[in-house]
Amino acid sequence: EVQLVESGGGLVKPGGSLRISCAASGFPFSTYTMTWVRQAPGKGLEWVSSISSRTIYYADSLRGRFTISRDNAKNSLYLQMDSLTTEDTAVYYCARERFLTGSAAFDIWGQGTMVTISS
Amino acid sequence: DIQMTQSPSSLSVSVGDRVTITCRASQSISNYLNWYQQKPGTAPKLLIYAASGLQSGVPSRFSGGGSGTDFTLTISSLQPEDSATYYCQQSYSSLWTFGQGTKVEIK
Repeated sequence: EVQLVESGGGLVKPGGSLRISCAASGFPFSTYTMTWVRQAPGKGLEWVSSISSRTIYYADSLRGRFTISRDNAKNSLYLQMDSLTTEDTAVYYCARERFLTGSAAFDIWGQGTMVTISS
Repeated sequence: DIQMTQSPSSLSVSVGDRVTITCRASQSISNYLNWYQQKPGTAPKLLIYAASGLQSGVPSRFSGGGSGTDFTLTISSLQPEDSATYYCQQSYSSLWTFGQGTKVEIK
């Protein structure tokens, strides 16, 4: 079964750091671009960052504070988040990017991990 | 960044009604437009890719259309399980952006 499982969320104080993870199974992880998307409570979806075998992209508003990485040997995706603020409070989803008739889309999503920034 | 604007923000419709949601891009994105459905407390689910491609397993009452800057998601006959928030997303730019969402409620 194709599956993504996030972990590592929790409560962090403003200014702190956190690393969240996403474990992939059921597909050749190394061949896919992977992505983080977040959703603040009661708000819409916000793309955070994507990583392929050769390129990394970040949302402009997050570049410099967040670092995406992957370990293909462990079938895992990571997001290191530094200098966290209350505005980073959200559910963080990992998603698989797949090309469908030449257009990319996020076809598989994890269940999400909650990150809460509060003093 | 490419801005995506959905309308309406919410709507209340009856079972069996035809529902159309619109998504407009701030610049031409060809057909690089996807639609997702999200129910409360769950992850988004891909419905439509490349503007009009139906994702495997998605009921045929869902359809997508449009190209350039204007796109639509249509539910031909709304079912109770279609109560959800729907998001469009552009994949033209590597800096992906979503619309703000359209909440569909059942009357």
